[in-house]
Amino acid sequence: KAGVTQTPRYLIKTRGQQVTLSCSPISGHRSVSWYQQTPGQGLQFLFEYFSETQRNKGNFPGRFSGRQFSNSRSEMNVSTLELGDSALYLCASSPHLAGGGETQYFGPGTRLLVL
Amino acid sequence: AQTVTQSQPEMSVQEAETVTLSCTYDTSESNYYLFWYKQPPSRQMILVIRQEAYKQQNATENRFSVNFQKAAKSFSLKISDSQLGDTAMYFCAFMKHEGGSEKLVFGKGTKLTVNP
Repeated sequence: KAGVTQTPRYLIKTRGQQVTLSCSPISGHRSVSWYQQTPGQGLQFLFEYFSETQRNKGNFPGRFSGRQFSNSRSEMNVSTLELGDSALYLCASSPHLAGGGETQYFGPGTRLLVL
Repeated sequence: AQTVTQSQPEMSVQEAETVTLSCTYDTSESNYYLFWYKQPPSRQMILVIRQEAYKQQNATENRFSVNFQKAAKSFSLKISDSQLGDTAMYFCAFMKHEGGSEKLVFGKGTKLTVNP
């Protein structure tokens, strides 16, 4: 199976702009999670989607949003970009089977630089 | 709140030797899951090993094994016969259940360098 794919891989934006990142999960995986990775804060959970519904959201401002489509592909959007939004954004997918504790498989990430 | 602590920011080891990375966590849950992920310079996060807390047997994957001490809330990773390709950041993670959803809570990571 193909792994998790994320597009674009690199992005440069200026303050105040908005950005949309895309994630395609592993075929058959229905849950998609997003994480932000920065040198200062480390890896932080952004949100998780399952069946086109956001089930959980991390402690991030409302400028961060996302959605999931019927084919399980997900997008996240950041509006009114700030310098502090510069980060590696990682998407992870899991099958969402009964029992929980499933491994999350990560994509290669999108590196966002805000100038 | 669940927290994950990796007390070794950096470590180095000689090729073919064994190294152990430490991880402690804090939780009030009785059933949970723990993970080690590896992030090489390519930045791709790769699963190394997964442990289910209700299983007393330590998980192993080829050269990688864990020492899971549930009472001490400790979850260390042992890498045997270290190889140059093991050079990477290693993250310990706790899977937290929240209202039907699950999320990973990561430690700050340990940067491992394998020297020739």
